[in-house]
Amino acid sequence: DAGVIQSPRHEVTEMGQEVTLRCKPISGHDYLFWYRQTMMRGLELLIYFNNNVPIDDSGMPEDRFSAKMPNASFSTLKIQPSEPRDSAVYFCASSHGDENTEAFFGQGTRLTVV
Amino acid sequence: EDQVTQSPEALRLQEGESSSLNCSYTVSGLRGLFWYRQDPGKGPEFLFTLYSAGEEKEKERLKATLTKKESFLHITAPKPEDSATYLCAVSKYSGGGADGLTFGKGTHLIIQP
Repeated sequence: DAGVIQSPRHEVTEMGQEVTLRCKPISGHDYLFWYRQTMMRGLELLIYFNNNVPIDDSGMPEDRFSAKMPNASFSTLKIQPSEPRDSAVYFCASSHGDENTEAFFGQGTRLTVV
Repeated sequence: EDQVTQSPEALRLQEGESSSLNCSYTVSGLRGLFWYRQDPGKGPEFLFTLYSAGEEKEKERLKATLTKKESFLHITAPKPEDSATYLCAVSKYSGGGADGLTFGKGTHLIIQP
């Protein structure tokens, strides 16, 4: 398996524009997580899904953020409108099963909002 | 509120100089404590999971231990390729199933040849 695949790797956008980040989890994994990493706050959980259903979105910072998982092999994180403070590295991770097995992370999307 | 605190924030060692990284945690109902390694420009890479106090796990030059309040990542005779940021994270019981992780801010480790 190629691992968790995220796209794009880098995104530069202007304030006010819509941004969509994409993730393909590892085949067979039933949990998918979105995290955000900044120097100030470290890695923070934004939202996670189980079997394509959102379970906990309490980490989503504002209504400008939304996430979907239309099927087991694809998820998106959308920011609309984007703001400079959204600049960060966004990671997607997936894991398997009900046991607390390790989560596998993608390479991340570095978002810069100017 | 769940908290994970890692120390030191940064550590510079000479090749072969052993040391330990600390992870203190406060969580109600610990389900698991995780150690990850992160290289620049990459996503975190899983190292260990510890589930109960007294548990230890080893991998090459790394050994992770767990008590009721903290975990240590011991690095024995490190090499330059061990340079990375080491992240500690906890998961807690929240009604069943997997759960998202609460991460510390990491220890940036540099091993000088």
